[in-house]
Amino acid sequence: DTAVSQTPKYLVTQMGNDKSIKCEQNLGHDTMYWYKQDSKKFLKIMFSYNNKELIINETVPNRFSPKSPDKAHLNLHINSLELGDSAVYFCASSQLLVTGANVLTFGAGSRLTVL
Amino acid sequence: KNQVEQSPQSLIILEGKNCTLQCNYTVSPFSNLRWYKQDTGRGPVSLTIMTFSENTKSNGRYTATLDADTKQSSLHITASQLSDSASYICVVSASNSNYQLIWGAGTKLIIKP
Repeated sequence: DTAVSQTPKYLVTQMGNDKSIKCEQNLGHDTMYWYKQDSKKFLKIMFSYNNKELIINETVPNRFSPKSPDKAHLNLHINSLELGDSAVYFCASSQLLVTGANVLTFGAGSRLTVL
Repeated sequence: KNQVEQSPQSLIILEGKNCTLQCNYTVSPFSNLRWYKQDTGRGPVSLTIMTFSENTKSNGRYTATLDADTKQSSLHITASQLSDSASYICVVSASNSNYQLIWGAGTKLIIKP
């Protein structure tokens, strides 16, 4: 019954590899997000999709490519992984845009370690 | 520049005691302010959300206050429990076209028995 589920929870890989993180939400929300939380614990928005349409694309290297096959899924593909990509990546969802009382529901996070 | 600053960075208190966490922001135009709780190894969970006109909001033992004039918020935890050990993050939403969320770095709270 997990509301926002991400896989894998842990990912250890070598520099230069390509990897994907998957996210699914069963809340019926229209909007999904990817956040990056680095070692300093700041959460930074990377992307936001509303009904499969990209609406927020922060300054993120183009090695990161989100894909939303439907409004319940938002996957994150990362090419040519670098050491600085090591972080915890959180998927989240909300009803429409985050405005007023709309609240983000987060997944448990995917810890990526690049060696 | 839109910023959210939280203090203290970390706090250790004994179980049963009260504590207050602070949040100052320079976000404009202001839409709302949220407090999230993030347990170690988990995603943030929303505690409260307050709009411009709300001064105080409670969620069980958590009470958040907002002073929109001084751009300050506080989160007061009453009768702390071991399960309150977590990071508490203040987030401010700007009422721009994307309702951008500006995240604080969080206060790491440790409750000791």
